[in-house]
Amino acid sequence: EIVLTQSPGTLSLSPGERATLSCRASQTVTSRYLAWYQQKPGQTPRLLIYSTSARATGIPDRFTGSGSGADFTLTINRLEPEDFAVYYCHQFEISPHTFGQGTKLEIK
Amino acid sequence: EVQLVQSGAEMKKPGESLKISCKASGYRFTNYWIGWVRQMPGKGLEWMGIIYPGDSDTRYSPSFEGRVTVSADKSITTAYLQWSTLEASDTAIYFCARRDLGDPFDVWGLGTMVTVSS
Repeated sequence: EIVLTQSPGTLSLSPGERATLSCRASQTVTSRYLAWYQQKPGQTPRLLIYSTSARATGIPDRFTGSGSGADFTLTINRLEPEDFAVYYCHQFEISPHTFGQGTKLEIK
Repeated sequence: EVQLVQSGAEMKKPGESLKISCKASGYRFTNYWIGWVRQMPGKGLEWMGIIYPGDSDTRYSPSFEGRVTVSADKSITTAYLQWSTLEASDTAIYFCARRDLGDPFDVWGLGTMVTVSS
């Protein structure tokens, strides 16, 4: 099973700042099979990024995904109030597919 | 419009059985995988298992295999997650979600809250 470890667990920032979220896999993940989700309290997860760096439909360009091998990053530029949420990375290359434990992005 | 409509909240006792559903519409049901994801109270997302309704190919996470059964009925475009014996630790929200081969989950149901308590 591929374990995804996200860091930090919690990130406290102010609107307008840049957030950098990390996702490290226990083994190499092909870039095509790495995605990021955003989840707000009481809501369904929302697909942000697929294939490591492609933005899903309707996702603003302040969200950027990058990385390769076992290290992946989600960067959110110019944080907006609606960006404060929990973010999960997800690999769907090797079964069982797995999620990271999440990074909570909170307002400082 | 692509939709996954999940069955309503359930309150059960330990030892009871349960089957929750995920009704798909707006796309060809047999051409996409349907997966189940658990979210325990205040916790993260856990991938449980997945089924391809086209041929009933099913995969499970080792963490859930033997404890739950994933199934689908093509005739009514509905996927199911079932337990034969519930435990208090099964208390969680269960999401169903759709994915195409090579793509991540793109459409999610709203979740079914399952509470198991004596």
